[in-house]
Formats: sequence, C-alpha cells, structure tokens
Amino acid sequence: DTAVSQTPKYLVTQMGNDKSIKCEQNLGHDTMYWYKQDSKKFLKIMFSYNNKELIINETVPNRFSPKSPDKAHLNLHINSLELGDSAVYFCASSARREGINTEAFFGQGTRLTVV
Amino acid sequence: RKEVEQDPGPFNVPEGATVAFNCTYSNSASQSFFWYRQDCRKEPKLLMSVYSSGNEDGRFTAQLNRASQYISLLIRDSKLSDSATYLCVVNEPNYGGATNKLIFGTGTLLAVQP
Repeated sequence: DTAVSQTPKYLVTQMGNDKSIKCEQNLGHDTMYWYKQDSKKFLKIMFSYNNKELIINETVPNRFSPKSPDKAHLNLHINSLELGDSAVYFCASSARREGINTEAFFGQGTRLTVV
Repeated sequence: RKEVEQDPGPFNVPEGATVAFNCTYSNSASQSFFWYRQDCRKEPKLLMSVYSSGNEDGRFTAQLNRASQYISLLIRDSKLSDSATYLCVVNEPNYGGATNKLIFGTGTLLAVQP
C-alpha cells in the first residue's frame, strides 16, 4: 500500500487553465504539506496543514488554493496556470511528537507542464 | 545567508570510496535534522535522522554539531546504487515557535563510478 499517494503523476495543460492535484495519506499523520521542486531541483515548502487547519503559507500566489477536507487528504487547486508554474509538486505528511513535526514522507510527485 | 546550505557537487567517486557531505544551517533554534536521498525523477526518501550524539546505519554515519550549526553525512565503501542526490533537511520553528517546518538544502549530487 502506498503511504502517500498523489494524482495525477503527470499533468500537461495550457496556460490559463485551472487544474487540481489530489493527495491522500494512510499513515494517520496529522500534518500534510505541499512542496514545489523547480527546474533547479530546489524543494520549497508551499503550504502546511495540521488537522485540516492551514498552518504555513509561504507567500505562494493566491492562484494556488489548498483544501483539506479531512486530515488524510490535502488537495491543491491552481487557477490561471502560468508557464512558470511548471515544476514537480510533492505532497508529504508527517507525524507530530511532543508538538514537533517529525520526518516527512513524500508522494511520488506530480510533474506539471504548462504549455 | 541561505537557511540550509550544501555543496551542490557533483561528487564523482569510484566504487569503494569514502565520501563526506557537509551542510550548514542558519537558524540556531532548529530542532531536528535529517538526511534524505532523492533519485532522478523520484520523490525524496528519508535516509536517516541526525542525532546530537552522532548515529550510524551500516555504511552511513551522520553527525551534528549544534555549536557550529553543521551537519555531515559520511558514506563508506560507496556502491553504484548510492548514486543519487543527498538532501540535508532541517526542522526549524516557524511563526514564533507555534509550528515548525522542514527546510531542504539544494542537495549534493553523488555519482559513483565503476
């Protein structure tokens, strides 16, 4: 069983379109994240949710809107896609111990290409 | 100063070599530390956590120096299968300590040659 799964794995779309990426974790973790990995391979946190509550929003354009219907799911909706949004988007989750998030487990990534 | 800094490499080493990666972090309040491995076109995977006392897992040894804000990873007897990007990861407090977040270094590329 895949611990953190995200769909789709590949997404090719035109500029201006709206698209969504879905993520689910079956690890029972309280915290979920979205990370973006750009062409230079730098992994940067975008959002963090803890028990469905938005905790971290790292100055991401408001075209990006995360939604967490429950603590096992964190979806990412992107409006008006731009060429610069092309990247690999990783979902991740982690447990919390004594108030501190532990190591994160990652999904396989969604390779988004905007043309 | 970047939050987490690593030498991007690439490190090209022959099989059997010992290789060391270093990493520095800027936030002295950082709470926990990890090394991740990322293969080409794959997701990052946890290699090992890093403890203050240093820890070893087979051919891999991790060290933490809180005073110097420095983390290291040593790989002994390199295998071809060790070729990957190694990411230094620091868990630092965010929003005044209300939460914390994982900050990734840019990664060090290791290529083990036959």
